[in-house]
Formats: sequence, C-alpha cells, structure tokens
Amino acid sequence: GQNIDQPTEMTATEGAIVQINCTYQTSGFNGLFWYQQHAGEAPTFLSYNVLDGLEEKGRFSSFLSRSKGYSYLLLKELQMKDSASYLCAVRDSNYQLIWGAGTKLIIKP
Amino acid sequence: IAGITQAPTSQILAAGRRMTLRCTQDMRHNAMYWYRQDLGLGLRLIHYSNTAGTTGKGEVPDGYSVSRANTDDFPLTLASAVPSQTSVYFCASSENSNTEAFFGQGTRLTVV
Repeated sequence: GQNIDQPTEMTATEGAIVQINCTYQTSGFNGLFWYQQHAGEAPTFLSYNVLDGLEEKGRFSSFLSRSKGYSYLLLKELQMKDSASYLCAVRDSNYQLIWGAGTKLIIKP
Repeated sequence: IAGITQAPTSQILAAGRRMTLRCTQDMRHNAMYWYRQDLGLGLRLIHYSNTAGTTGKGEVPDGYSVSRANTDDFPLTLASAVPSQTSVYFCASSENSNTEAFFGQGTRLTVV
C-alpha cells in the first residue's frame, strides 16, 4: 500500500529553527509537495520537490532524497503565525496526490 | 469570484437526504478534485476530473458522485447521506495534473 509518515505534533520556540520530516512509500514518484494549513482553513501550497536536493524559499526550505523516500521541511526564524499543520503529499505514478496526516506545529514564545 | 469558491460553508444534514456541494473556480484550471479531511487522517481523494467532460474515482468514492459539465464547476453529490460522511470537504483545482493544487475554503458537513 501507499504510505506517508509524518510526526503528529512538534513544538518549537519563536525565533528558532524546526525540521519536519516526511517519509513515503508510494507506487511511483512524480514529485513531493508541502502545504501549510492553519486551523479551520484551507491548505496552501508551500513547496515542490521533484529532484534530489534542497529548494529554498525565504524562511522555508524543503529537501528531497528519492532513494531514501525522505523529505523534510525546514522553517527558520520561527514566528507565531507559523503555528499550523504542515502536510506532506506525494504524487504517485497515476499523478494522484497521496497525503500524510499532517504535523501540527506549536510555536511557543 | 477570485480563485476557488465552495458552498455552503457548513451544513447539518439529516441522514438519508441528498446534498450537493458546490465548487467553482475562475482560474481556468483543467484539473479539479474533491477531498475529505477527517481528524488524524490525511486528505483523501473522493473524485477528480483532469479536464471538462471527464471524471475519475479516487480513494474513497462510494456514496459520492460528481460531474464536470464545464471547466469552472465541479459539484459533489451525496445521494443518500450517512453519518460516516460527516467530514470537512475540500474542493481543489490545478492547472493540470502536474502542478500544485489550490484549495477552496472547505465545507463542514455534519450528517445526523
């Protein structure tokens, strides 16, 4: 079966750095996405990786290793508004997105 | 309208009733999707459409139907609602099946 694993919850301090990991086992791979979802709101797109390596976008970076079935989202200079759930999703061989359950990130002052 | 719009925002529905959740996008995206999101689970695909006039079944299609008569609209119908269909439903669209998806604000449905 297809599976996306992420930690359920993480806590970090304002101003710090946090890394959210995602491991996947899917039938085929056509890219990995990270989305942010604030409570009660819709998911919003953060990043996309299809090749191995690091993609940087401001305070957020995303890394992919296809051979290890592994990705992480790195958030720097954490702000209170970064408190949200972070969803990892993999596009499989049928070009459908398989979603992880999300990581709830709690930022403390 | 800007982006992708869902209606209603929330609904309480008696079991056995028929209900259509509406979804409209103005981005001229080819692909559209319906997901349900339940606590502790990832988003699960119900139905999708890669282009107007075509639809496909996702991971959890039973009890749901869709149509895609034009590019902009992708309604989801529950023929006879059951309590297990209580969930938050998200409609999404993407330029094609290769690009990122944009989500509507969701419909919170409670079946009692």
